[in-house]
Amino acid sequence: QLQLQESGPGLVKPSETLSLTCTVSGGSISSGSYYWGWIRQPPGKGLEWIGSIYYSGSTYYNPSLKSRVTISVDTSKNQFSLRLNSVTAADTAVYYCARHGGSWYSFDYWGLGTLVTVSS
Amino acid sequence: EIVLTQSPGTLSLSPGERATLSCRASQSVSSSYLAWYQHKPGQAPRLLIYGASSRATGIPDRFSGSGSGTDFTLTISRLEPEDFAVYYCQQYGSSQFTFGPGTKVDIK
Repeated sequence: QLQLQESGPGLVKPSETLSLTCTVSGGSISSGSYYWGWIRQPPGKGLEWIGSIYYSGSTYYNPSLKSRVTISVDTSKNQFSLRLNSVTAADTAVYYCARHGGSWYSFDYWGLGTLVTVSS
Repeated sequence: EIVLTQSPGTLSLSPGERATLSCRASQSVSSSYLAWYQHKPGQAPRLLIYGASSRATGIPDRFSGSGSGTDFTLTISRLEPEDFAVYYCQQYGSSQFTFGPGTKVDIK
Protein backbone atom coordinates (compact mmCIF):
# COMPACT_ATOMS: atom_id res chain seq x y z
CA GLN A 1 0.00 0.00 0.00
CA LEU A 2 1.42 3.34 -1.06
CA GLN A 3 2.01 5.78 1.79
CA LEU A 4 3.11 9.41 1.77
CA GLN A 5 4.36 11.30 4.80
CA GLU A 6 5.17 14.97 5.12
CA SER A 7 7.95 16.21 7.39
CA GLY A 8 9.48 19.55 8.25
CA PRO A 9 9.35 22.45 10.70
CA GLY A 10 5.95 23.34 12.11
CA LEU A 11 6.89 26.96 12.72
CA VAL A 12 8.51 29.35 10.25
CA LYS A 13 9.25 33.04 10.75
CA PRO A 14 7.85 35.66 8.39
CA SER A 15 10.08 36.40 5.36
CA GLU A 16 11.90 33.08 5.79
CA THR A 17 11.65 29.91 3.69
CA LEU A 18 9.24 27.06 4.37
CA SER A 19 10.77 23.67 3.59
CA LEU A 20 8.90 20.37 3.61
CA THR A 21 9.74 16.87 2.44
CA CYS A 22 7.39 14.09 1.41
CA THR A 23 8.65 10.53 1.82
CA VAL A 24 6.99 7.91 -0.34
CA SER A 25 6.88 4.28 0.81
CA GLY A 26 5.28 1.17 -0.62
CA GLY A 27 6.03 2.23 -4.17
CA SER A 28 8.60 3.97 -6.32
CA ILE A 29 8.50 7.68 -6.97
CA SER A 30 10.16 6.85 -10.28
CA SER A 31 7.04 5.11 -11.59
CA GLY A 32 6.53 6.65 -14.97
CA SER A 33 2.79 6.95 -14.67
CA TYR A 34 2.49 9.44 -11.84
CA TYR A 35 3.23 12.95 -10.73
CA TRP A 36 3.80 14.11 -7.17
CA GLY A 37 2.23 17.26 -5.83
CA TRP A 38 1.76 19.63 -2.94
CA ILE A 39 -1.60 21.00 -1.83
CA ARG A 40 -2.35 23.24 1.14
CA GLN A 41 -5.36 24.22 3.23
CA PRO A 42 -5.28 27.41 5.29
CA PRO A 43 -7.30 27.25 8.53
CA GLY A 44 -11.01 27.40 7.80
CA LYS A 45 -10.47 27.59 4.05
CA GLY A 46 -10.46 25.28 1.06
CA LEU A 47 -7.76 23.35 -0.77
CA GLU A 48 -5.14 25.06 -2.95
CA TRP A 49 -2.81 23.24 -5.32
CA ILE A 50 0.78 24.48 -5.04
CA GLY A 51 2.61 22.51 -7.71
CA SER A 52 3.61 19.11 -9.05
CA ILE A 53 6.73 17.29 -10.17
CA TYR A 54 7.53 14.28 -12.33
CA TYR A 55 10.34 11.93 -11.32
CA SER A 56 12.45 13.34 -14.15
CA GLY A 57 12.34 16.74 -12.42
CA SER A 58 9.82 18.38 -14.70
CA THR A 59 7.64 20.76 -12.70
CA TYR A 60 4.57 22.92 -13.01
CA TYR A 61 3.27 25.38 -10.47
CA ASN A 62 0.22 27.33 -9.45
CA PRO A 63 0.70 30.67 -11.23
CA SER A 64 -0.29 32.56 -8.07
CA LEU A 65 2.63 31.00 -6.15
CA LYS A 66 5.11 30.33 -8.94
CA SER A 67 7.48 33.17 -8.09
CA ARG A 68 8.03 31.79 -4.57
CA VAL A 69 7.87 28.01 -5.04
CA THR A 70 10.42 25.34 -5.86
CA ILE A 71 9.58 21.63 -5.92
CA SER A 72 12.38 19.10 -6.30
CA VAL A 73 12.71 15.32 -6.32
CA ASP A 74 15.29 12.91 -4.94
CA THR A 75 14.65 9.52 -6.52
CA SER A 76 17.45 7.86 -4.54
CA LYS A 77 15.58 8.63 -1.32
CA ASN A 78 12.08 8.25 -2.80
CA GLN A 79 11.29 11.79 -1.68
CA PHE A 80 10.15 15.08 -3.12
CA SER A 81 10.36 18.46 -1.47
CA LEU A 82 8.72 21.86 -1.31
CA ARG A 83 10.38 25.20 -0.73
CA LEU A 84 8.25 28.33 -0.38
CA ASN A 85 10.19 31.51 0.19
CA SER A 86 9.31 34.92 1.63
CA VAL A 87 6.47 33.47 3.69
CA THR A 88 3.82 35.53 5.46
CA ALA A 89 0.99 34.68 7.85
CA ALA A 90 -1.15 33.94 4.77
CA ASP A 91 1.03 30.88 4.15
CA THR A 92 -0.06 29.31 7.44
CA ALA A 93 -1.79 26.10 6.42
CA VAL A 94 -1.91 22.34 6.56
CA TYR A 95 0.37 21.18 3.77
CA TYR A 96 -0.38 17.87 2.04
CA CYS A 97 1.69 15.88 -0.39
CA ALA A 98 -0.18 13.69 -2.84
CA ARG A 99 0.12 11.61 -6.01
CA HIS A 100 -1.78 12.21 -9.21
CA GLY A 101 -1.95 10.36 -12.45
CA GLY A 102 -0.98 11.70 -15.84
CA SER A 103 -4.20 10.49 -17.37
CA TRP A 104 -7.04 11.38 -15.01
CA TYR A 105 -5.32 14.22 -13.13
CA SER A 106 -6.88 13.41 -9.78
CA PHE A 107 -5.06 12.92 -6.48
CA ASP A 108 -5.44 9.30 -5.43
CA TYR A 109 -3.00 9.01 -2.53
CA TRP A 110 -2.41 11.69 0.09
CA GLY A 111 -0.27 12.19 3.14
CA LEU A 112 -1.94 13.04 6.42
CA GLY A 113 -0.76 16.62 6.19
CA THR A 114 1.42 18.79 8.38
CA LEU A 115 0.50 22.14 9.91
CA VAL A 116 2.95 24.93 9.22
CA THR A 117 2.47 28.16 11.13
CA VAL A 118 4.14 31.37 10.02
CA SER A 119 4.76 33.52 13.06
CA SER A 120 7.56 35.41 14.73
CA GLU B 1 -7.88 29.99 -14.36
CA ILE B 2 -11.05 27.94 -14.15
CA VAL B 3 -13.03 28.83 -11.04
CA LEU B 4 -15.22 26.16 -9.44
CA THR B 5 -18.32 27.06 -7.46
CA GLN B 6 -20.03 24.53 -5.22
CA SER B 7 -23.57 24.59 -3.91
CA PRO B 8 -25.03 24.51 -1.44
CA GLY B 9 -22.39 25.62 1.04
CA THR B 10 -23.95 23.42 3.71
CA LEU B 11 -26.39 20.55 3.31
CA SER B 12 -28.20 19.38 6.45
CA LEU B 13 -29.63 15.89 6.04
CA SER B 14 -30.46 12.79 8.04
CA PRO B 15 -28.88 9.34 7.65
CA GLY B 16 -30.63 7.42 4.90
CA GLU B 17 -31.47 10.55 2.89
CA ARG B 18 -30.17 11.36 -0.56
CA ALA B 19 -27.54 14.08 -0.98
CA THR B 20 -27.08 16.01 -4.20
CA LEU B 21 -24.02 18.27 -4.44
CA SER B 22 -23.37 20.65 -7.31
CA CYS B 23 -20.11 21.87 -8.84
CA ARG B 24 -20.19 24.55 -11.51
CA ALA B 25 -17.17 25.69 -13.53
CA SER B 26 -16.53 29.17 -14.92
CA GLN B 27 -15.71 27.58 -18.29
CA SER B 28 -15.97 24.15 -19.81
CA VAL B 29 -14.02 21.37 -18.09
CA SER B 30 -12.97 18.11 -19.68
CA SER B 31 -14.93 15.36 -17.99
CA SER B 32 -11.72 13.36 -17.81
CA TYR B 33 -10.30 15.96 -15.46
CA LEU B 34 -13.12 16.45 -12.93
CA ALA B 35 -12.83 14.76 -9.54
CA TRP B 36 -14.61 14.70 -6.18
CA TYR B 37 -13.09 14.27 -2.72
CA GLN B 38 -14.41 13.64 0.77
CA HIS B 39 -12.57 15.39 3.60
CA LYS B 40 -12.96 14.81 7.32
CA PRO B 41 -11.22 16.85 10.05
CA GLY B 42 -7.73 15.61 10.83
CA GLN B 43 -7.69 13.24 7.87
CA ALA B 44 -6.33 13.36 4.36
CA PRO B 45 -8.82 14.06 1.60
CA ARG B 46 -10.14 10.87 0.00
CA LEU B 47 -10.65 10.54 -3.74
CA LEU B 48 -14.23 9.45 -4.46
CA ILE B 49 -14.81 10.10 -8.14
CA TYR B 50 -12.45 10.73 -11.06
CA GLY B 51 -13.22 11.38 -14.68
CA ALA B 52 -16.52 12.94 -13.53
CA SER B 53 -18.24 9.56 -13.06
CA SER B 54 -15.76 6.79 -12.25
CA ARG B 55 -15.60 5.59 -8.67
CA ALA B 56 -12.14 5.34 -7.15
CA THR B 57 -10.93 2.03 -5.73
CA GLY B 58 -12.90 0.92 -2.69
CA ILE B 59 -15.56 3.64 -2.92
CA PRO B 60 -19.09 2.33 -2.17
CA ASP B 61 -21.62 2.42 -4.99
CA ARG B 62 -23.87 4.82 -3.07
CA PHE B 63 -21.49 7.53 -4.37
CA SER B 64 -22.00 8.52 -7.99
CA GLY B 65 -20.82 11.36 -10.18
CA SER B 66 -22.34 12.85 -13.30
CA GLY B 67 -22.24 15.89 -15.52
CA SER B 68 -20.28 17.50 -18.31
CA GLY B 69 -19.15 20.88 -19.59
CA THR B 70 -19.65 23.33 -16.75
CA ASP B 71 -22.11 21.44 -14.51
CA PHE B 72 -21.22 18.41 -12.44
CA THR B 73 -23.02 16.57 -9.64
CA LEU B 74 -22.02 14.24 -6.83
CA THR B 75 -24.87 12.13 -5.49
CA ILE B 76 -24.86 10.07 -2.32
CA SER B 77 -27.88 7.82 -2.64
CA ARG B 78 -28.39 6.99 1.04
CA LEU B 79 -26.31 8.79 3.62
CA GLU B 80 -24.45 6.63 6.09
CA PRO B 81 -23.17 8.09 9.40
CA GLU B 82 -19.61 8.07 8.07
CA ASP B 83 -20.57 10.21 5.05
CA PHE B 84 -20.97 13.44 7.01
CA ALA B 85 -17.97 15.46 5.88
CA VAL B 86 -16.87 18.22 3.51
CA TYR B 87 -16.88 17.43 -0.22
CA TYR B 88 -14.69 19.18 -2.77
CA CYS B 89 -14.72 19.11 -6.53
CA GLN B 90 -11.45 19.60 -8.42
CA GLN B 91 -10.56 20.19 -12.04
CA TYR B 92 -7.41 20.17 -14.12
CA GLY B 93 -6.98 22.46 -17.08
CA SER B 94 -4.38 24.79 -18.64
CA SER B 95 -1.64 23.04 -16.65
CA GLN B 96 -3.15 23.83 -13.28
CA PHE B 97 -5.49 22.32 -10.72
CA THR B 98 -8.25 24.21 -8.93
CA PHE B 99 -10.60 23.10 -6.18
CA GLY B 100 -14.07 24.28 -5.33
CA PRO B 101 -14.77 25.88 -1.94
CA GLY B 102 -16.48 22.74 -0.65
CA THR B 103 -19.93 21.61 0.49
CA LYS B 104 -20.34 20.56 4.10
CA VAL B 105 -22.78 17.73 4.61
CA ASP B 106 -23.86 17.72 8.23
CA ILE B 107 -26.36 15.85 10.32
CA LYS B 108 -29.80 17.40 10.56
